[in-house]
Amino acid sequence: DSGVTQTPKHLITATGQRVTLRCSPRSGDLSVYWYQQSLDQGLQFLIQYYNGEERAKGNILERFSAQQFPDLHSELNLSSLELGDSALYFCASSVDGLAGTHTYNEQFFGPGTRLTVL
Amino acid sequence: AQSVTQPDIHITVSEGASLELRCNYSYGATPYLFWYVQSPGQGLQLLLKYFSGDTLVQGIKGFEAEFKRSQSSFNLRKPSVHWSDAAEYFCAVGFFGNEKLTFGTGTRLTIIP
Repeated sequence: DSGVTQTPKHLITATGQRVTLRCSPRSGDLSVYWYQQSLDQGLQFLIQYYNGEERAKGNILERFSAQQFPDLHSELNLSSLELGDSALYFCASSVDGLAGTHTYNEQFFGPGTRLTVL
Repeated sequence: AQSVTQPDIHITVSEGASLELRCNYSYGATPYLFWYVQSPGQGLQLLLKYFSGDTLVQGIKGFEAEFKRSQSSFNLRKPSVHWSDAAEYFCAVGFFGNEKLTFGTGTRLTIIP
């Protein structure tokens, strides 16, 4: 158990709908990352938040957005869902993700949320 | 192009046999290097990492990896596999000042009795 929790575990929805995935980082971790794992694209970085602020952006669609709340949990919002959005969405956390620190902080991954769009 | 390559999509190994999973990277600078394992229905677990120093790194579950700068490789090894090692293995890279991980396509490991 990594200490990172994600809810729900499974989500089945229809095209055009909107869903919210939730992530609670490990206690004390300030940085949250979202990754998407799909058959087509493999494991891809979507976005990173550090202490409530967006820190880095990857291959995240405009239909997707995320935020990190004052209690440090994060939500990934996916809207106007398409069949191709079906994937496993992982959240990871690390102690800090601040660019410029002298060390690289290990990311701990949650169990993921499996999204199926029908 | 900058990339992480895992040439083997699927490897089958007999229980008790040795294992080597390949990982190559193509970047201008040497990245931080990682191996993660994903068991069915599970998240990603870090097996080991290389930042600098000794090029042979030891990880959890009896795994080790060797960094070879001349070959831009970071291959994962285990002397004797167990049935519980059946999983998907991902090589990943990161960089100082850029925390995101870039993953290879993964190698699925099957263990036969």
